[in-house]
Amino acid sequence: AQTVTQSQPEMSVQEAETVTLSCTYDTSESNYYLFWYKQPPSRQMILVIRQEAYKQQNATENRFSVNFQKAAKSFSLKISDSQLGDTAMYFCAFMRGYGQNFVFGPGTRLSVLP
Amino acid sequence: DAGVIQSPRHEVTEMGQEVTLRCKPISGHDYLFWYRQTMMRGLELLIYFNNNVPIDDSGMPEDRFSAKMPNASFSTLKIQPSEPRDSAVYFCASRRTSGGLDEQFFGPGTRLTVL
Repeated sequence: AQTVTQSQPEMSVQEAETVTLSCTYDTSESNYYLFWYKQPPSRQMILVIRQEAYKQQNATENRFSVNFQKAAKSFSLKISDSQLGDTAMYFCAFMRGYGQNFVFGPGTRLSVLP
Repeated sequence: DAGVIQSPRHEVTEMGQEVTLRCKPISGHDYLFWYRQTMMRGLELLIYFNNNVPIDDSGMPEDRFSAKMPNASFSTLKIQPSEPRDSAVYFCASRRTSGGLDEQFFGPGTRLTVL
């Protein structure tokens, strides 16, 4: 069974600084999909960024980028120029293949400090 | 598009009562998922459907939980009888499978409190 680990239960960062959230996963699949979701205090789950395992280029969405290390089974999220609105729980998720369900990590609670 | 719609947003009930949570997925989406979120266990997948057919219900905690999807635009999650340990936020999510990088859209959740 696939597992997703987020080793940092809580993190904090100063506004405008950069922070990296870690995620590792365990799978024997060669192709799969990885996602980061954000859950602000409103509790709405919002997709932040996604990556296909067969693509070597790291995905980027504005201030959000990932460092995907397939051999190490690592998928970290970097948030640049942190903003107060980035304060949220961040969940890493793994999807084994086409049409499969997601496996979510336990989440990292990020606080952006003014 | 209105997004995934869940009702009610909040539910407070007493132990032993039946609880029904409702979900309307995004039109055109062929997958529907029910999750439960608690502080202790995080985000757990309970069951998911593909084209209205249950695919995997291994996450359903016990026989007190049941889920149905009578058509492509409606699903229910029922707990009967409810217990205090069922208190959690229940999310419904839907997805349209188009080749892999398919975003899963979540509803706003239902916060269930069982007294």
